[in-house]
Amino acid sequence: GNSVTQMEGPVTLSEEAFLTINCTYTATGYPSLFWYVQYPGEGLQLLLKATKADDKGSNKGFEATYRKETTSFHLEKGSVQVSDSAVYFCALSATGGGADGLTFGKGTHLIIQP
Amino acid sequence: EPEVTQTPSHQVTQMGQEVILRCVPISNHLYFYWYRQILGQKVEFLVSFYNNEISEKSEIFDDQFSVERPDGSNFTLKIRSTKLEDSAMYFCASTGVGAASYNEQFFGPGTRLTVL
Repeated sequence: GNSVTQMEGPVTLSEEAFLTINCTYTATGYPSLFWYVQYPGEGLQLLLKATKADDKGSNKGFEATYRKETTSFHLEKGSVQVSDSAVYFCALSATGGGADGLTFGKGTHLIIQP
Repeated sequence: EPEVTQTPSHQVTQMGQEVILRCVPISNHLYFYWYRQILGQKVEFLVSFYNNEISEKSEIFDDQFSVERPDGSNFTLKIRSTKLEDSAMYFCASTGVGAASYNEQFFGPGTRLTVL
C-alpha cells in the first residue's frame, strides 16, 4: 500500500538556521506530493505541492522537490523564524484524483528558538 | 478567503452515545472528506464523498460511521455508538475538481471528540 515516512521530531533549531525535514514515500504510479503545516490549536494548512517528477513546490520561503528516483520530497528553508514553529506533515495523493484520500506521514514537530 | 468550517470545536460524549460532527466545505467544492488524528499519531483518511455518495473509504470507516450531505452546505459525520478509541481530532476537508486541483485538499480546524 501507499505510505509516507518522515523524520521523527521534535526538531529544534535556532532562528536563521537552515531547515531540512526528510520525507520519503512508497506509492504505485505517479502520486502528487504535499507538505501541510499545523500551527498550535489550528487545522492543517497546505504549504506547498508538486504533481510530477522534478517539480519544485515553494511557498513562504519553503521549498521541496519531487524526486522520483529517490522517492523523496524533502522540505527545506534557508533561514527559519520563530513563527515557523509548527508540526509539518508530508502527504501523498496516489492518483491525484478527487476521490483519493491523502496518505500522511506521522508529522515532524519543529521548534525554532530565538 | 473561503475556508472550511467545523462545529463544534470540542465534543464530549459518553461511551455508547451517538455523535454528529458537522462541516461546511468551501462552497464551490465538490469532493468532501473526513480524517481523524488520534493524539500523537498520524492523520488518517476515513472517507471521501462526491455527488451524494461515498467515493472511497478506509478500513477505519466501519458500520459505526456514516456520512451525509443533508443540504447544499453541510457535510456530517455520524458515529452511532461511540467507543473510547474514537477519541480523536476529526478533520473535514474539501477540494475542487479539474486538473488544476490535483487533489489539493483544504482542511477545517477540526473537532476534538472526547469519549468518556
